[in-house]
Amino acid sequence: EPEVTQTPSHQVTQMGQEVILRCVPISNHLYFYWYRQILGQKVEFLVSFYNNEISEKSEIFDDQFSVERPDGSNFTLKIRSTKLEDSAMYFCASSEAKTSTEAFFGQGTRLTVV
Amino acid sequence: AQSVTQLGSHVSVSEGALVLLRCNYSSSVPPYLFWYVQYPNQGLQLLLKYTSAATLVKGINGFEAEFKKSETSFHLTKPSAHMSDAAEYFCAVRGSGAGSYQLTFGKGTKLSVIP
Repeated sequence: EPEVTQTPSHQVTQMGQEVILRCVPISNHLYFYWYRQILGQKVEFLVSFYNNEISEKSEIFDDQFSVERPDGSNFTLKIRSTKLEDSAMYFCASSEAKTSTEAFFGQGTRLTVV
Repeated sequence: AQSVTQLGSHVSVSEGALVLLRCNYSSSVPPYLFWYVQYPNQGLQLLLKYTSAATLVKGINGFEAEFKKSETSFHLTKPSAHMSDAAEYFCAVRGSGAGSYQLTFGKGTKLSVIP
């Protein structure tokens, strides 16, 4: 069964460093998302991406964040200068189309900023 | 704007007992509603969804949920819990209209099943 894959599963980084979280969405999907879950808190929407541009973004998605689809298969989230409060589980998701009712999620990347 | 409230961050049931996980939502537009499950070290898997068709929705693994507009609720139930149901469950909402495709999640309910 097709699935969204995320790498790495766990990343530890020093405060101030840049990190890139990687995702491979399902191959025929066109709409991509990043969500995050700080430990003990809700899963929160960060950004959606369609047709090589950001479609929606939340207040959390400030200038330190960026997304990119560098090739036909990967979808990345870059955090430019990590802060302690960026420690969270980051989920990538994809859906077939903008109006699809179902988004498929990856297993998540746990980011720990020390 | 949408929001979701899941009552009970942790629910314990005995194996074979009824599972009831509560979810209340608010939405300024007719909602689509979802239940996702997360097993340890895995991603979010869709259990079931309500998209304005039948109000009683059946999902995978014997779970079902009923959309009650008057109560703004979408509670998840399963008649008989199995050990394999132990996981974290998330209720989520999104608007059904154009331009509102992001999911808004509840805080999650961790289900423990006691043998």
